[in-house]
Amino acid sequence: GEDVEQSLFLSVREGDSSVINCTYTDSSSTYLYWYKQEPGAGLQLLTYIFSNMDMKQDQRLTVLLNKKDKHLSLRIADTQTGDSAIYFCAESPPPYTGRRALTFGSGTRLQVQP
Amino acid sequence: EAGVVQSPRYKIIEKKQPVAFWCNPISGHNTLYWYRQNLGQGPELLIRYENEEAVDDSQLPKDRFSAERLKGVDSTLKIQPAELGDSAVYLCASRPRTSGEAGDTQYFGPGTRLTVL
Repeated sequence: GEDVEQSLFLSVREGDSSVINCTYTDSSSTYLYWYKQEPGAGLQLLTYIFSNMDMKQDQRLTVLLNKKDKHLSLRIADTQTGDSAIYFCAESPPPYTGRRALTFGSGTRLQVQP
Repeated sequence: EAGVVQSPRYKIIEKKQPVAFWCNPISGHNTLYWYRQNLGQGPELLIRYENEEAVDDSQLPKDRFSAERLKGVDSTLKIQPAELGDSAVYLCASRPRTSGEAGDTQYFGPGTRLTVL
């Protein structure tokens, strides 16, 4: 079955880079996602990467995918206090499985210190 | 474009009482999901609808939970009777018909935080 794991907590100083890591078990995952959740709010899609890609960059966000090791990371450049939130990694199964729901990790709480 | 709308945002009830949550997905999104997010955890799927049909409800505790999406647009999730362990955030998400480049990208509502006393 699928399992997605993340470290629980990361603390960085404002202006530094943050790297949030995620490992997953389902090698047939087609897309992998990063969502952000601020206190009391729903999940906001940050970015996603297709499984045949190694890297995707979107402004301050860089996603790296190591499919061999089933490792996904999210790098946030020039981290700001507004980036403080919980970040969830999620994977989606391939369409042929008929399952179209995302499997989420438990989330990494990012704390940005001024 | 309006996002996924959910109501109420917060609900406090006593155990054994019924409760209902409502969701209106993004216009044109034919797939609708209900997830439950326990404290300190990621969301877990309860049920998925393709239009008005429930196509994946294997994780829905059917003895007390029910859901409907009668016209293939908005949806209601009900718990009757509620138990202490049902305290969680209930999230609704929707996805457009065609995957395209964005794959299975789902768009989430703000959730309903349920507290059962």
